[in-house]
Amino acid sequence: AAGVIQSPRHLIKEKRETATLKCYPIPRHDTVYWYQQGPGQDPQFLISFYEKMQSDKGSIPDRFSAQQFSDYHSELNMSSLELGDSALYFCASSLEGLAGEQETQYFGPGTRLLVL
Amino acid sequence: AQTVTQSQPEMSVQEAETVTLSCTYDTSENNYYLFWYKQPPSRQMILVIRQEAYKQQNATENRFSVNFQKAAKSFSLKISDSQLGDTAMYFCAFMGSIIQGAQKLVFGQGTRLTINP
Repeated sequence: AAGVIQSPRHLIKEKRETATLKCYPIPRHDTVYWYQQGPGQDPQFLISFYEKMQSDKGSIPDRFSAQQFSDYHSELNMSSLELGDSALYFCASSLEGLAGEQETQYFGPGTRLLVL
Repeated sequence: AQTVTQSQPEMSVQEAETVTLSCTYDTSENNYYLFWYKQPPSRQMILVIRQEAYKQQNATENRFSVNFQKAAKSFSLKISDSQLGDTAMYFCAFMGSIIQGAQKLVFGQGTRLTINP
């Protein structure tokens, strides 16, 4: 079965540089979520999109922005990178269920970002 | 805001033993969803099991089962006949119920489980 695809898998950047992470959800999934997992920490929610509209926002810095495109893929843009942005960034996707049923989120393999 | 607490930072058992991981949560919602995710050394987040709060029957997936106590806001994971491949970090996660759109996952701190040969 097709899974969530994230690219790149690894990324090394210098401080103050810009990074773009991409996420391709499972086919037919209409909802995308971004999470950040620091070393030794649990994943923290950043932002989500449902049907190409921002749905919810968590602890996402103003330096970060994201969008979901017409083909449902999503990109997380990170500017003015700081050392503390070094983390594993997950994208997850789900399909909005019928009658308000919340569908399970399936995670991609993550993008490991290292800021030097 | 919802919170999820995993009080066991680390656990270790012998292969073939049964192990139970604890999770408690706090919410004022009546309808919600609970999950256990597994994160092996590869750091991939893998769904283990899901429980809908409106269902009284505990979810089961092969060797994995949960003990869902709604009144106590407790959601423990039992792994039977543990295998070396079960070695991983296990995260308990809460998801609320909304009318439409996306609903984020709130994770616990994780329990690092080691299965010894």
